Formats: sequence, C-alpha cells, structure tokens
Amino acid sequence: GESVGLHLPTLSVQEGDNSIINCAYSNSASDYFIWYKQESGKGPQFIIDIRSNMDKRQGQRVTVLLNKTVKHLSLQIAATQPGDSAVYFCAEKTQAAGNKLTFGGGTRVLVKP
Amino acid sequence: DAGITQSPRHKVTETGTPVTLRCHQTENHRYMYWYRQDPGHGLRLIHYSYGVKDTDKGEVSDGYSVSRSKTEDFLLTLESATSSQTSVYFCAISRDDRVNTEAFFGQGTRLTVV
Repeated sequence: GESVGLHLPTLSVQEGDNSIINCAYSNSASDYFIWYKQESGKGPQFIIDIRSNMDKRQGQRVTVLLNKTVKHLSLQIAATQPGDSAVYFCAEKTQAAGNKLTFGGGTRVLVKP
Repeated sequence: DAGITQSPRHKVTETGTPVTLRCHQTENHRYMYWYRQDPGHGLRLIHYSYGVKDTDKGEVSDGYSVSRSKTEDFLLTLESATSSQTSVYFCAISRDDRVNTEAFFGQGTRLTVV
C-alpha cells in the first residue's frame, strides 16, 4: 500500500481515554458527512457517516456530532486503543452533484500506551 | 479489500510524457473517484464519475483527464506530466445507494515525475 508523510495536526491520547477529532466544513448543500480512517500504507477506510438532517449518530465506540449552525463536525472515539492510531479525515458527499465526495484536512491520532 | 485494483502501483516517468493510471473494480458500483494525496493537503478530488461516460471535475483537475467507457474501469491520464504531479493517487468506488455512503479505496499508486 501507499502512504504519504503528512504534515498534519496531531492528537496524542492515552490508551483508554476518549478522543475527540474536529473538522470544519464549508458546503451547506452536502447531504452526508463522513469520517474515514487511514492507516499507514493503506487507503482510507469508512468509519461512520451522518446525514445532514441529524445532529448525532453513534456507532461501535464512535460517535459523530454535527453542528450545522457553525458548520462543525466531530468524531468521538471512546476508550481509545492502540489500533486507533491513524490519520482521520472528514468528508462531505453531495448527491445533487453526482455524489461528489470531497475531503477535509486530516488529523493524526497517536495513542500512547 | 473491496474489489478495486489500481495499476500500476508504482511509476517513475519523465516530465512531459503522458501517463495513464487505471482503476478497475469488480463491484459494479456506479460511482468512481480519483484523488491525489500530498503532504499537508490530505486527499484532493481530481475527477469523479457518476456513470459510464459521465464524469465531472473535482478541485484539482487541471492537467488531468479521465475516461469511463465501461462500469468497471476509470482511467486517469496526465496529459503531459509535470513534477508538481508527483503524488500518491487513490481511486475510490461507491454504490448507487442513497442510504449507504461508504466509499472503498484502492491501495494507491505512487507516481514520481522526474
């Protein structure tokens, strides 16, 4: 697989603690907001999404919050594990634009044992 | 991995030469995307396709063209490669499904333009 040495903001978190990753988006017309995880040497992998008419969605150990007023998206990871170390990206999907899928800036999460 | 294959996986080419990257899927997904990933920029959308022969530009389409003559293949062409196009290129696919937003990514192609 491929990876790049990304100069990204880094979040260091102790194993077992909760992590919060933030993202600002720009397109109010987006239908879905999505979080992806990219491990070293691999392509991004889907974590969870949220439809634009929702403000919270929970998955397994993850929660996504959407605040449309300030165009802010967050991903909360509960009980962070070493396997959560990766780069996390937020993304937006716009159905009216042919399901255009664009990504925001990423955050590197480092889990300390 | 979902049935998505990028080729080649690595390529070194000279400035000014044309280069074509191939994305092949076996999932019969409608939507296909090409991204480039560079340090400090994350993933930037180059072009995408919402069906056979239906494509549109992304954020960084200058210097790139695409073609999709059949569902399973999405080709990205650098018409005249430049050093600024040295990057890692990712292809992604997603279903025609208003509920499922998941996109599946290939392993990437590392392109170096010298």
